[in-house]
Amino acid sequence: ETGVTQTPRHLVMGMTNKKSLKCEQHLGHNAMYWYKQSAKKPLELMFVYSLEERVENNSVPSRFSPECPNSSHLFLHLHTLQPEDSALYLCASSQDLGDRVTDTQYFGPGTRLTVL
Amino acid sequence: AQKVTQAQTEISVVEKEDVTLDCVYETRDTTYYLFWYKQPPSGELVFLIRRNSFDEQNEISGRYSWNFQKSTSSFNFTITASQVVDSAVYFCALTPRPNTDKLIFGTGTRLQVFP
Repeated sequence: ETGVTQTPRHLVMGMTNKKSLKCEQHLGHNAMYWYKQSAKKPLELMFVYSLEERVENNSVPSRFSPECPNSSHLFLHLHTLQPEDSALYLCASSQDLGDRVTDTQYFGPGTRLTVL
Repeated sequence: AQKVTQAQTEISVVEKEDVTLDCVYETRDTTYYLFWYKQPPSGELVFLIRRNSFDEQNEISGRYSWNFQKSTSSFNFTITASQVVDSAVYFCALTPRPNTDKLIFGTGTRLQVFP
């Protein structure tokens, strides 16, 4: 597999369910990101990880819990979500963070989440 | 404040027409990067181009070209001889300065190319 992959591609869950989204990058990158894309709103950055450490958390509700066990994998654990959390969740990766030239972020295909 | 505005919500053209997608940005930083991404119906954001604020040279890649003008804070994207496969949502994005990886996206322009 190449690039950034995400599973599942589609997910329907009830408000009391617990589920996880998975992202895997095959690019040898050190930084990974979660974004939320809602209808008619700009993409919202949720979390940033660099070398498995969380470096950014953009005031995301605690019902979203990220996990980065290694630089190739990123998870987003979901529990007690609300219908307004329905959106496309996109994962991205980039070579590095830090005091260098800004690296380009490469995105996965996303998980389309519907909360009933 | 940093902001990206894509005023065109949706554009429809017929195949082989040229089309320009507008992008206007705001930032107080002197060093910044601008990006264009394409989002086809499959959902993933496909990277198209990155430009830094010190390089105002226009770029051409096949049927795609980009016009960066600091004087008007614009980074417009033109598709020449459009094709049905160009149908997608196109996002312009800004990173205000190096060593931060906050990509600030516009709301996107949906391009529909009809045969």
